[in-house]
Amino acid sequence: KQEVTQIPAALSVPEGENLVLNCSFTDSAIYNLQWFRQDPGKGLTSLLLIQSSQREQTSGRLNASLDKSSGRSTLYIAASQPGDSATYLCAVVKGSGGYNKLIFGAGTRLAVHP
Amino acid sequence: DTGVSQDPRHKITKRGQNVTFRCDPISEHNRLYWYRQTLGQGPEFLTYFQNEAQLEKSRLLSDRFSAERPKGSFSTLEIQRTEQGDSAMYLCASSLEAEHNYGYTFGSGTRLTVV
Repeated sequence: KQEVTQIPAALSVPEGENLVLNCSFTDSAIYNLQWFRQDPGKGLTSLLLIQSSQREQTSGRLNASLDKSSGRSTLYIAASQPGDSATYLCAVVKGSGGYNKLIFGAGTRLAVHP
Repeated sequence: DTGVSQDPRHKITKRGQNVTFRCDPISEHNRLYWYRQTLGQGPEFLTYFQNEAQLEKSRLLSDRFSAERPKGSFSTLEIQRTEQGDSAMYLCASSLEAEHNYGYTFGSGTRLTVV
């Protein structure tokens, strides 16, 4: 059974710091991995999608890496801003009987203070 | 097409009542998913459609839950005889089937409160 773990569960940092959020998964046979952002009481916003054949993806101040063999992904946030405060969710796509679905971690709750 | 739409955004209901939620996916997406999220947890898979066929249901989906996707377009999730434990955010997502190029787009969710 695929399990996804995110560390740390919560993080509070001053504005301007560079951050690393960690995600680990138990079954390396994944199709891809997706990072999402969730603001309180809201839906999920896709940040980055890394396909199984890729090692990393970048979007603006965000960089996500994927190491399938070790079952790990990291989300790097450069020069954090108060607007980055949200919960960040990691999810892997794992086939089940030929059909694919996202399996989520519990998230990292990030607070960036001025 | 502006994304995945869910209706209503919020629903408060009394225990024992039935509720129905609607999800309109991105029009060209043939896959539709329902997830449930409780406070402080990641979303949990409930069920999945490819076009109009419901292909997988989680054990979380008790007999009180039913989902449909007539004609492979919008989907509805109905909960009968609601219980307080059903209180959660219900999220819908859609994706386009392609060779290992899956990306999922989520709606804003329906927040259910059972009192």
